[in-house]
Amino acid sequence: AQKITQTQPGMFVQEKEAVTLDCTYDTSDQSYGLFWYKQPSSGEMIFLIYQGSYDEQNATEGRYSLNFQKARKSANLVISASQLGDSAMYFCAMREYGNQFYFGTGTSLTVIP
Amino acid sequence: DVKVTQSSRYLVKRTGEKVFLECVQDMDHENMFWYRQDPGLGLRLIYFSYDVKMKEKGDIPEGYSVSREKKERFSLILESASTNQTSMYLCASSLPGGPPQHFGDGTRLSIL
Repeated sequence: AQKITQTQPGMFVQEKEAVTLDCTYDTSDQSYGLFWYKQPSSGEMIFLIYQGSYDEQNATEGRYSLNFQKARKSANLVISASQLGDSAMYFCAMREYGNQFYFGTGTSLTVIP
Repeated sequence: DVKVTQSSRYLVKRTGEKVFLECVQDMDHENMFWYRQDPGLGLRLIYFSYDVKMKEKGDIPEGYSVSREKKERFSLILESASTNQTSMYLCASSLPGGPPQHFGDGTRLSIL
């Protein structure tokens, strides 16, 4: 079974609107971490946001927030007030106990002016 | 500022060659990782290492080996390169159970 599933290969959003990128995960660990990364066309991976499995509040970092629904095993990324520079690939990832990281297949986001 | 450095940004090699990809980190991180990234497949873990001389197979270790003789350096070796190993290779590091991984800029490897 896939550890991380991102079902949206491509998404479009109008500039200044909000967008939600979906991520579901599969683990039997009680302690795990969920991450989102951005990869612009230049290729570097940029860490965006982290959510620990025991964190009760949803993580937020500026315009990024993580909508964590533990019972549904989902960790969706919400980008508010989209900007042209947000156009990139976005990867959801999970770290389980034992320090293995699992990545999803990514969502390509295009922000339309 | 944290730094993960991969020795080459672009590399072209021939089928059958032995290929070395080098990765160095300056953060004193215990964990180091090698991934390959292919369109539509995301990042797939090849090998990771949680300490000097320690290594664990990831999801796709076939055709690869690794070496970690020093904490800061983690090398990926293609024993006999094949065209299906043409890919983007990403190195990363992290503290155990700690902050997220830090990535190098990637090596785009082409096997002809």
